[in-house]
Amino acid sequence: QVQLQESGPGLVKPSQTLSLTCTVSGGSIRSGGYYWSWIRQHPGKGLEWIGNIHYSGSTYYNPSLKSRLTISVDTSKNQFSLRLSSVTVADTAVYYCARIEGSGWFFDYWGQGTLVTVSS
Amino acid sequence: DIQMTQSPSSLSASVGDRVTITCRASQSISTYLNWYQQKPGKAPKFLIQAASTVQSGVPSRFSGSGSGTDFTLTITSLQPEDFATYYCQQSYRTPPTFGQGTKVEIK
Repeated sequence: QVQLQESGPGLVKPSQTLSLTCTVSGGSIRSGGYYWSWIRQHPGKGLEWIGNIHYSGSTYYNPSLKSRLTISVDTSKNQFSLRLSSVTVADTAVYYCARIEGSGWFFDYWGQGTLVTVSS
Repeated sequence: DIQMTQSPSSLSASVGDRVTITCRASQSISTYLNWYQQKPGKAPKFLIQAASTVQSGVPSRFSGSGSGTDFTLTITSLQPEDFATYYCQQSYRTPPTFGQGTKVEIK
């Protein structure tokens, strides 16, 4: 059973960089046919896809966030990470990491989510 | 981006009721449509892929149908544990996009 766990600061100041890591257990991040994704949910709102990475390093980013976004992977640690720069209060959200099944592009396993608040 | 619109935004139902949630895409997405269930304070749970394939372990009272632009999630005989928010998601084109959610509440 694949499990994902987000980690990182819960409070970030405006204009700074939000950094989160997702640790994958119960399976290898190098498993073929999967991508690894970040999704966020603003308080009381719906779900917004942020971006994906494959273990090879290829990435897909949401165009609305692309200019501020970096997603990276560390296969030796079975982790992938999110960096979102120049954050504002509008980036306050619960951030989830998830696995994408590559042929159907559905999110089959999710982390529990972590709330990141942007505030001075 | 492909816009996904769910209706209704919320509904009240009783245990044992049949519930139908609709999801409409802004363009044809074939059957590239997935459904998720989210309970308060929890991550979404994957229910259905490709419009109608129910995931292993998901109760048989959940079913999905549709193609093109119009899709439905049906819950026959609603159970107490089914009260939650349901989201559709298109996987036809990047970026993957979600509906705004349908909250199923207890009547």
